Amino acid sequence: QKEVEQDPGPLSVPEGAIVSLNCTYSNSAFQYFMWYRQYSRKGPELLMYTYSSGNKEDGRFTAQVDKSSKYISLFIRDSQPSDSATYLCAMGGGDKIIFGKGTRLHILP
Amino acid sequence: NAGVMQNPRHLVRRRGQEARLRCSPMKGHSHVYWYRQLPEEGLKFMVYLQKENIIDESGMPKERFSAEFPKEGPSILRIQQVVRGDSAAYFCASSPPATGTTGELFFGEGSRLTVL
Repeated sequence: QKEVEQDPGPLSVPEGAIVSLNCTYSNSAFQYFMWYRQYSRKGPELLMYTYSSGNKEDGRFTAQVDKSSKYISLFIRDSQPSDSATYLCAMGGGDKIIFGKGTRLHILP
Repeated sequence: NAGVMQNPRHLVRRRGQEARLRCSPMKGHSHVYWYRQLPEEGLKFMVYLQKENIIDESGMPKERFSAEFPKEGPSILRIQQVVRGDSAAYFCASSPPATGTTGELFFGEGSRLTVL
């Protein structure tokens, strides 16, 4: 079993829809949970960072962590064409940060 | 405040040559990570360094690959005797000392290596 599982997509949704992106993990040692956004031919940029189970909201973005189920989610409300990118979940603990494969998201105008 | 700087952005090498990729972390950052990204795959951890120390190199192939982060100057990822399978985007990320391995990484734009 891979440490981090993420559906690669692509995921296409109409503008204005709510987007749900998810990752599962197997390593209970992970303590930090992140979502990064990567535009084509660019480096990833940190979107959301959470430390504990529960929800964290930042504008149109909400990150959710369920440690008991080893499941994390990112919700994007009122999606915009500019949200079209690859979204990578990441988890850290100890000296290592492990990334999911990324989900390609297309917001259709 | 300049971000993480990587160079070269694009590098073409023939099989058997050496590739050197450089990374200057953000000002004040003392932790550097290197990741490799292949098409349709995520970021694969390679190595984590602090100034003059390799903290974790568990993701780096044992042969042909090496990394350093000297007291002065950029971090360097070196690939000797490159093969076609080394073609990928190599990303460097840095973090400040206070956060260490908490995941708040700042990435460069990447160096894209093509091996002919």
